[in-house]
Amino acid sequence: DQQVKQNSPSLSVQEGRISILNCDYTNSMFDYFLWYKKYPAEGPTFLISISSIKDKNEDGRFTVFLNKSAKHLSLHIVPSQPGDSAVYFCAASGKLDNNDMRFGAGTRLTVKP
Amino acid sequence: GAGVSQSPRYKVAKRGQDVALRCDPISGHVSLFWYQQALGQGPEFLTYFQNEAQLDKSGLPSDRFFAERPEGSVSTLKIQRTQQEDSAVYLCASSLVDSNQPQHFGDGTRLSIL
Repeated sequence: DQQVKQNSPSLSVQEGRISILNCDYTNSMFDYFLWYKKYPAEGPTFLISISSIKDKNEDGRFTVFLNKSAKHLSLHIVPSQPGDSAVYFCAASGKLDNNDMRFGAGTRLTVKP
Repeated sequence: GAGVSQSPRYKVAKRGQDVALRCDPISGHVSLFWYQQALGQGPEFLTYFQNEAQLDKSGLPSDRFFAERPEGSVSTLKIQRTQQEDSAVYLCASSLVDSNQPQHFGDGTRLSIL
C-alpha cells in the first residue's frame, strides 16, 4: 500500500520562478514529514522537515506547508535555480511505527536556465 | 568522512550467490535503517536498529534477507541465495535518536543479480 504519494513524476520550471512539489499521505498516524533531494548515483540528502504541530516551516528558499486535514504537504522553492534540478522525495514517519519512513516515488524537477 | 558510508558501491552477483552489504553510520548515531530502492521508485523500508537491537524487520521481503548490527555501529545486510528481483539500490541511513530526527543516507549499494 502506498501511504505516501507523489502524483507528479516530473516538473519543469524556469529559473527564477517558483517550484511547487506536492505530496499526499493516507496514514493519519504520521507526525513528521520530510523532503529529500537526490542527485544521480548519490543517496537522498535531507532538505527540510516539518512536525505535525506546525503548518509551515521555512529555510531560506525552501518552504514546506502541511495541511493535516487534507493530508497534503507541499515544498515551495523560490526562486528556483538550475542547481535545484534533482529528484525530490517526500517522506513521512510516525512514532508508533518505530520511525521508519515511508517515501513517495519522487518528482524529478528540472529548472531551465 | 563524516557521513554514512556504504560498501561496496556496486555489486554484481550470479543468481543463487550470497551477498553482504556494509553500512558505516555516522558516529554516535543510535538509529540505523536499511531501505531498498527499485528503479523509478522511492526507498522502501527494510529494517531498523536502535543500537544493536533490531526493533523492526517487518520490511524484509523474505527470510533470505538478514541484517545485523552486533556492536551498535557498523551494520551488515546479507542476502542469501540471491534472485533477480533482489536487484536494486540498497540504502542505509542513520539518525541521532529515534524520534522526529532526519535520517542521513549513504550513497547506497547498487546490486545487480545476473
